[in-house]
Amino acid sequence: GDSVTQMEGPVTLSEEAFLTINCTYTATGYPSLFWYVQYPGEGLQLLLKATKADDKGSNKGFEATYRKETTSFHLEKGSVQVSDSAVYFCALSDRESGGSYIPTFGRGTSLIVHP
Amino acid sequence: EAQVTQNPRYLITVTGKKLTVTCSQNMNHEYMSWYRQDPGLGLRQIYYSMNVEVTDKGDVPEGYKVSRKEKRNFPLILESPSPNQTSLYFCASSPRLTYEQYFGPGTRLTVT
Repeated sequence: GDSVTQMEGPVTLSEEAFLTINCTYTATGYPSLFWYVQYPGEGLQLLLKATKADDKGSNKGFEATYRKETTSFHLEKGSVQVSDSAVYFCALSDRESGGSYIPTFGRGTSLIVHP
Repeated sequence: EAQVTQNPRYLITVTGKKLTVTCSQNMNHEYMSWYRQDPGLGLRQIYYSMNVEVTDKGDVPEGYKVSRKEKRNFPLILESPSPNQTSLYFCASSPRLTYEQYFGPGTRLTVT
């Protein structure tokens, strides 16, 4: 079945540092890829997405590129802020053979940004 | 405002006492799902629904029931809760298969 593997956290950075959170996937079909962010005490919200190979999703200074050849969707930000402290989830959505719909999430990576 | 709402947000109950967590969306989405979030395990799908009267099991359906009688509502039912169902639960909806999901704020359930 489908799976998503993302780097374990917590990732601890100083403000204005460069961020990379790695995400790789396996899928039977041709999935859409997503990054969600979860702030403390809240539900997940979409950060960015990409639906086909070489697409780059971007939002709030975050970027990720759909790399089919390496089955990766790494999240990057050039300069993090304290307000970016949250848990980040990589996810894919794929229609398995037979028509089932079970989106797959990574385990989440906690990001802590210090002033 | 487009949103997914869940109630209650917090619930403490005892083993075996039936409970229902409600979920409602106002975006006319066809697809709705329930997830549980546990430390170290990430999000796991419990049940999903592709439309009214159409539901199917996710990864961890044991001990849960759902129904979809109206497009906007997708309640989660625990007929006989047990302590291993203590978790943070999220409802989500999506306009189409493979599109992004919109999550509710979560329900923290404790079963003693």
